[in-house]
Amino acid sequence: GIQVEQSPPDLILQEGANSTLRCNFSDSVNNLQWFHQNPWGQLINLFYIPSGTKQNGRLSATTVATERYSLLYISSSQTTDSGVYFCAVGVTGANSKLTFGKGITLSVRP
Amino acid sequence: DSGVTQTPKHLITATGQRVTLRCSPRSGDLSVYWYQQSLDQGLQFLIQYYNGEERAKGNILERFSAQQFPDLHSELNLSSLELGDSALYFCASRRGLGTDTQYFGPGTRLTVL
Repeated sequence: GIQVEQSPPDLILQEGANSTLRCNFSDSVNNLQWFHQNPWGQLINLFYIPSGTKQNGRLSATTVATERYSLLYISSSQTTDSGVYFCAVGVTGANSKLTFGKGITLSVRP
Repeated sequence: DSGVTQTPKHLITATGQRVTLRCSPRSGDLSVYWYQQSLDQGLQFLIQYYNGEERAKGNILERFSAQQFPDLHSELNLSSLELGDSALYFCASRRGLGTDTQYFGPGTRLTVL
């Protein structure tokens, strides 16, 4: 099956700093989503981005499908950005499940 | 709020017992997915239903089963529970089978004592 690797595994930032989170995947996909899991365990949709670039406030994401990676940018980080960020990929077909990476734990310090 | 609801939010039970987790998808969504998040396995796909029919199975144990009802809500049944079944169980829904967003519910946290 598809392998998803996220890096770095852990990230500690000072409030106001910028960061880049990376997701590499092993095969062609036509579904890619970024999630933020908050301290209460909820998975919050950030982006649906199988290709191209999207922006939402301080967050933006870019997926280069031909090179099998995606990047999530967080600018001017806030303490509320803390949590675990997951990248998940999928392929349309009989089994359109999402395969998740192990996540990146982000801690933003005041 | 994703529009996907799950009940209960928390469930504490004993080994050997059976529990049922419930999921209501977003209005109009025909596909329902179940995922399990555990410390050792991470987030993994269990099973998918589309408009009442099973479409795909992942790493779902034989002790687990699911179904999707005519009103499109889904239930995940876990039986002969073991300590290792303690996990966060998510339901997700999407409009069809195509390449669009899966929306996740808040999850049910199962603790087996």
